[in-house]
Amino acid sequence: DSGVTQTPKHLITATGQRVTLRCSPRSGDLSVYWYQQSLDQGLQFLIQYYNGEERAKGNILERFSAQQFPDLHSELNLSSLELGDSALYFCASSPRTRGQGSKNIQYFGAGTRLSVL
Amino acid sequence: LAKTTQPISMDSYEGQEVNITCSHNNIATNDYITWYQQFPSQGPRFIIQGYKTKVTNEVASLFIPADRKSSTLSLPRVSLSDTAVYYCLVGDYFTMNNNAGNMLTFGGGTRLMVKP
Repeated sequence: DSGVTQTPKHLITATGQRVTLRCSPRSGDLSVYWYQQSLDQGLQFLIQYYNGEERAKGNILERFSAQQFPDLHSELNLSSLELGDSALYFCASSPRTRGQGSKNIQYFGAGTRLSVL
Repeated sequence: LAKTTQPISMDSYEGQEVNITCSHNNIATNDYITWYQQFPSQGPRFIIQGYKTKVTNEVASLFIPADRKSSTLSLPRVSLSDTAVYYCLVGDYFTMNNNAGNMLTFGGGTRLMVKP
């Protein structure tokens, strides 16, 4: 058990809908990351939050948004869902954000499997 | 972030030692090398991290030569439950335009199949 909790484990919805994925980081971790894993794209970084503020963006669509709350849990909001958004969504956390040359180990949750029908 | 190259797949048998080598020719001076394991439909699990020479923990060993352009993950006496995808990653800090932070770049990984 990594200590990172993601809910729900599975989500089935229809095209055009909006869903919210939730992540609770490991106790004490200030950084939260979201990744998407689909069969054709592999694991891709979406976005990073640190202590409530957006830190870095990756390949995140404009239809997707995220936030980190004062208690450090994070939510990933996916709207206007398309069939291609079906994927596993992982949250990871690390103690803090770090610059180059530092040991920043990210610990991953079990993921949320999103199926868009 | 440095690009990594590792074998697409490997086969082994229970009880054998497995060595997976990863090439990272463009590794930066300050980058650490990190390995993750992933089972189907599960999140990547941190295995080991190192900077140089040899690192060992209860799960694996990581060998890094002096030039740091490659690294080898060694799994002693594998079992069927070690069947998984293994990812080698180098560094995580990036800066691009006004964007800076920590991002793991996963390649295709190595699919290890352990047979009885």
